[in-house]
Amino acid sequence: DVKVTQSSRYLVKRTGEKVFLECVQDMDHENMFWYRQDPGLGLRLIYFSYDVKMKEKGDIPEGYSVSREKKERFSLILESASTNQTSMYLCASRTRQANTEAFFGQGTRLTVV
Amino acid sequence: AQSVSQHNHHVILSEAASLELGCNYSYGGTVNLFWYVQYPGQHLQLLLKYFSGDPLVKGIKGFEAEFIKSKFPFNLRKPSVQWSDTAEYFCAVPSSNTGKLIFGQGTTLQVKP
Repeated sequence: DVKVTQSSRYLVKRTGEKVFLECVQDMDHENMFWYRQDPGLGLRLIYFSYDVKMKEKGDIPEGYSVSREKKERFSLILESASTNQTSMYLCASRTRQANTEAFFGQGTRLTVV
Repeated sequence: AQSVSQHNHHVILSEAASLELGCNYSYGGTVNLFWYVQYPGQHLQLLLKYFSGDPLVKGIKGFEAEFIKSKFPFNLRKPSVQWSDTAEYFCAVPSSNTGKLIFGQGTTLQVKP
């Protein structure tokens, strides 16, 4: 059973804090993703990684960075949290094959106050 | 560039009504199409996918979709909805030259008992 595990379900952080969201997958998938989910906007891709130490910007990378030092782990970093980054963050992983689905974690509800 | 559009943002149905949710997409390569579902408080999970073969694809919980041909809508259908189908539904396509999955805006389905 594929598992994508996000380190926290709920987080409350203060404006200006540096925030780390962690994600681990156990299926040896090459691709890992960070999405942001907001009502009416669907899922928007922040960053994705196609291999260890490799990353590519998604649609909304501003204010975020990522790290992938090991294949199974993909971290999202908010360098200086702001209130407009309050959102649900979803991590996903997938193989390189086009006909395979992505598997998602439970999500992290981040509130920046 | 690939894109996905879901025009129905919020659908309200009574139990036993038939369901059809629209998904329009533009795709440059081999067609792979996905529908995901997110039940309240749960993670996103695959509902069904099409990548080749029988154009009528059957997913979990009685959902189905039909691939007609490229550039035609890949609409999600269910003959008779239940209260437990209340959820958010997302259509997705993979990027043709990367491993990214591109999602539509999502459709919130509310089924009244």
